[in-house]
Amino acid sequence: EADIYQTPRYLVIGTGKKITLECSQTMGHDKMYWYQQDPGMELHLIHYSYGVNSTEKGDLSSESTVSRIRTEHFPLTLESARPSHTSQYLCASEDSHRGKTYEQYFGPGTRLTVT
Amino acid sequence: AQRVTQPEKLLSVFKGAPVELKCNYSYSGSPELFWYVQYSRQRLQLLLRHISRESIKGFTADLNKGETSFHLKKPFAQEEDSAMYYCALADYGQNFVFGPGTRLSVLP
Repeated sequence: EADIYQTPRYLVIGTGKKITLECSQTMGHDKMYWYQQDPGMELHLIHYSYGVNSTEKGDLSSESTVSRIRTEHFPLTLESARPSHTSQYLCASEDSHRGKTYEQYFGPGTRLTVT
Repeated sequence: AQRVTQPEKLLSVFKGAPVELKCNYSYSGSPELFWYVQYSRQRLQLLLRHISRESIKGFTADLNKGETSFHLKKPFAQEEDSAMYYCALADYGQNFVFGPGTRLSVLP
């Protein structure tokens, strides 16, 4: 079934650890996004990608990196986790062929706690 | 720069009452406007978009370019409408800008 997946759903990790949050979509969408969202609060764009080998920084500098080696996969890496990184991370994808804007489809999110 | 404002962080109404969630935007071109909804323990999902001009779950939203607004309305609120609502703006081929969100609470 076409969907967007995020793993892990929940993660508790100690300060200084390196972590990778996984995001995969089976919808064949070209654009993908990572947002940071504290519960019930606004979304902050961290990174986005127009397609394979394309990555851009968003408005929020979260000391993270992303890669887009395959269309369906857009992992987010924190090299050294800090308590300030505690938040929910949402991955989204969008079919933006022909330069038009369509709806964004969101994953279930990863709730990260850094102790 | 594109900007979306939602003046109310929390809106409480009684079941059966009309509800209006406000959204204003700033953008010099012709944006596309969306409303996204996040129910408790569910994913953020599209509710409606202005170009569709349709009613979803009884909600409608009209784009008013003169007032740069895209308010979401429903004549009779239901308890299952309680959720976080986000207004979003996009320019064709560009990124979305989400508003800060309004939490709607429909009281019995």
